[in-house]
Amino acid sequence: DTGVSQDPRHKITKRGQNVTFRCDPISEHNRLYWYRQTLGQGPEFLTYFQNEAQLEKSRLLSDRFSAERPKGSFSTLEIQRTEQGDSAMYLCASSLRTGPNTGELFFGEGSRLTVL
Amino acid sequence: AQSVTQLDSQVPVFEEAPVELRCNYSSSVSVYLFWYVQYPNQGLQLLLKYLSGSTLVKGINGFEAEFNKSQTSFHLRKPSVHISDTAEYFCAVKHSSASKIIFGSGTRLSIRP
Repeated sequence: DTGVSQDPRHKITKRGQNVTFRCDPISEHNRLYWYRQTLGQGPEFLTYFQNEAQLEKSRLLSDRFSAERPKGSFSTLEIQRTEQGDSAMYLCASSLRTGPNTGELFFGEGSRLTVL
Repeated sequence: AQSVTQLDSQVPVFEEAPVELRCNYSSSVSVYLFWYVQYPNQGLQLLLKYLSGSTLVKGINGFEAEFNKSQTSFHLRKPSVHISDTAEYFCAVKHSSASKIIFGSGTRLSIRP
């Protein structure tokens, strides 16, 4: 399967713990996005990378959140000192910067976080 | 700033009936518009997109949408729905020179037999 993969699919943690999610994009895609989706809402933009450079971060992304994309391949999203309000589905998507599929995001199935 | 409004959070329709899911956007510049679909327990996938050219865009599974610049709308339509169309549908907008895509809050389409 050459789609976007995310790991873990589900994570249950206690408040105050740190969690890390991993995203492996489609191999030839140079853009990678993180979104957060809560029940009954659409995906909210968190951040995006072009290759290894993090080019934009949402104001929603507090200093407890950090994302990396070393070497422009996979990406990790870490949440430190989790809070119950962090409970959500974290979505990763990748895309090409140019070409016939410009603007089209290819999504993974998401990583669901539950903070107790 | 860009934003997307999906006025209907839920739309119930009978099987084989037509459906329209409404989407309005706000942007003062040129935009690209998208509809994504999320089937139960699956990731989002692209249904159709408008980048330029013809304002009537056809997508997968018999869906189509019409870009109306004067009304800043991009409503999604299907002439006859099937049970398998049960899903959540998200309208999205992207500034033509930007990279991030902004999503609406979604419309849940439920099909009654």
